[in-house]
Amino acid sequence: GAGVSQSPSNKVTEKGKDVELRCDPISGHTALYWYRQSLGQGLEFLIYFQGNSAPDKSGLPSDRFSAERTGGSVSTLTIQRTQQEDSAVYLCASSSVKGAYGYTFGSGTRLTVV
Amino acid sequence: GESVGLHLPTLSVQEGDNSIINCAYSNSASDYFIWYKQESGKGPQFIIDIRSNMDKRQGQRVTVLLNKTVKHLSLQIAATQPGDSAVYFCAENPTGNQFYFGTGTSLTVIP
Repeated sequence: GAGVSQSPSNKVTEKGKDVELRCDPISGHTALYWYRQSLGQGLEFLIYFQGNSAPDKSGLPSDRFSAERTGGSVSTLTIQRTQQEDSAVYLCASSSVKGAYGYTFGSGTRLTVV
Repeated sequence: GESVGLHLPTLSVQEGDNSIINCAYSNSASDYFIWYKQESGKGPQFIIDIRSNMDKRQGQRVTVLLNKTVKHLSLQIAATQPGDSAVYFCAENPTGNQFYFGTGTSLTVIP
């Protein structure tokens, strides 16, 4: 598509449930990133995929968080046993190799854990 | 880890005035910088970029200044308009593809 697409746009879940967040990057972009943005805060790096290389998972806050990218395109971020502190906007971005013009972001998924 | 910070978390300006948003970065190896604008309910959008071999770059109503000596970036918005109200982030790229983002400055334009 023309931009980065994320779904769902909003998700409310009960504490302890698992959630899956989806990202469709720009076609042809080899790099894909997940960030988390808490209310009034900056962007916290979570994970980075580049082509077929092993992902950089250094930003994942706990082992409850995982992500995969199938076929070098769509990515899914999974949060298991959600906690209230997981409530945030989860942003996905993609870029071409050596991101000139940086990232193109999606509109994010707002996750609320109740 | 990397640290990119902003001096002012909020800024209010009158419509028509110029705005200046500041950013300090920590990694002297960073060679590429971007300013992003984030409107409510949307993801950050690219505004303007600058490479470390430059100290100034101008776009449409926006100018980015880079001072590598003190590791400081600024974003100047000329004739600020209500549509400029948003959160502005600076981001630095020390290596590879990953960018590091600051906390953001919330700009409010008063009509």
